[in-house]
This record gives sequence, structure tokens and C-alpha cells, in this order.
Amino acid sequence: RKEVEQDPGPFNVPEGATVAFNCTYSNSASQSFFWYRQDCRKEPKLLMSVYSSGNEDGRFTAQLNRASQYISLLIRDSKLSDSATYLCVVNLADRGSTLGRLYFGRGTQLTVWP
Amino acid sequence: DTAVSQTPKYLVTQMGNDKSIKCEQNLGHDTMYWYKQDSKKFLKIMFSYNNKELIINETVPNRFSPKSPDKAHLNLHINSLELGDSAVYFCASSRRDYRVDILGTEAFFGQGTRLTVV
Repeated sequence: RKEVEQDPGPFNVPEGATVAFNCTYSNSASQSFFWYRQDCRKEPKLLMSVYSSGNEDGRFTAQLNRASQYISLLIRDSKLSDSATYLCVVNLADRGSTLGRLYFGRGTQLTVWP
Repeated sequence: DTAVSQTPKYLVTQMGNDKSIKCEQNLGHDTMYWYKQDSKKFLKIMFSYNNKELIINETVPNRFSPKSPDKAHLNLHINSLELGDSAVYFCASSRRDYRVDILGTEAFFGQGTRLTVV
């Protein structure tokens, strides 16, 4: 079983739409959570961190449900420039260690059309 | 003023050759990584170094050998290249996250090296 599971999509939405991505993680000991964005043929870049009950950054809202081991990303008022792959990422430390590692989901592809 | 830079950006080589990819970060981070992204876009960690010390070594063929001359550099040498090694290799670095007291969070990635083995 993979550490992080995501719906790969693709999601195709018109400009202005609201779109939500979901992600589940398998290890309840996971300690921190992120959404990364990866444009075509580019490197992943941090979009937002999700540390507690969730947070908002402009049109982007991330939610974390530790009980259900579930993370979501909501994008409101989609822009053409939001077209990318969104990667759900969890940080998990090895047992008895502070040496964490990032586990990436396969990503959800979003295309926003005019 | 690139934060994480890796070279080369593209690498086309024949099976059986040996090649190296170099990575440098100017962020002052202590931890550096190599990730592999395959054709299905799955990003998987290969190695992690903290202050020049190897701390993560995933199940990777021993043809892959990382080297960290100092904490700002992490190179990847690959011997006897195979067709299945074709992928995009990303270098990344991160700092310690004191909020959760965990090393290696919020990774910053280089632009990737697209390796094609023919």
C-alpha cells in the first residue's frame, strides 16, 4: 500500500470554477503535510503547508483531518495559470528518529480552460 | 541566484555508460536529497544526506552512488546505465522544521535532470 494516495484526475474545469482535490495517507504517525505544485516539465514547488486543522492562502484552502488521515485542497475562482499537477506530500519520521522523509502522492492533474 | 541548481539539465547516453549529475544549493540547508520521477510521474526518494552524512538510502541499485563533498553539494554518479534508468532526477534540499522537530521538511527542488538512456 502506498503511503500517499491521490486521485490522478485529470480534472478539467472552466475558469472561475471551484475544484477540490483529496488525498489520504496510510501512516497515522505522519507529522506534517504539504501540497506541492508541479508544472509540466518543471520541478515541484511548495504551494502550501498544512500543519494543524488547515489553513488558507488567498484562493487556496487546505484541510487536514487526522482522524480520517485525509487532506484536501480547495481552489476557488480557478485561473488558467492554476493548470498544473498538484502533489500531496506527507512527512514521516522513522520510528524513534527525528529523521523525517517526504512521501509524495502521484499527483492530481488540473486543467483550467477559458 | 538560483536556490538549488543541478547540471546537466538534459543527459542522453548509451547503455553501459557511467554518468554523473551535480547539485548545489545556496540556501544554507543541512539536508539534501535525490529523487527520481519516472514516466508515470511518481516522485520517489533515493537518497538523503544531512551535513554530508548519508541518512536515507532507499532500495536503489548500487550502481547509483551519491557523494556529498560538503553540505551545499550532493552529486549522483550512475554506473553501467540501463534503459530503466531513464527518468527525471531531482535534487532537493530542506531545513529542519522546529515546529515538529523533524529534519527534512519543505523541500526545495532543482530544475531536474532528464536522463534518457538509449
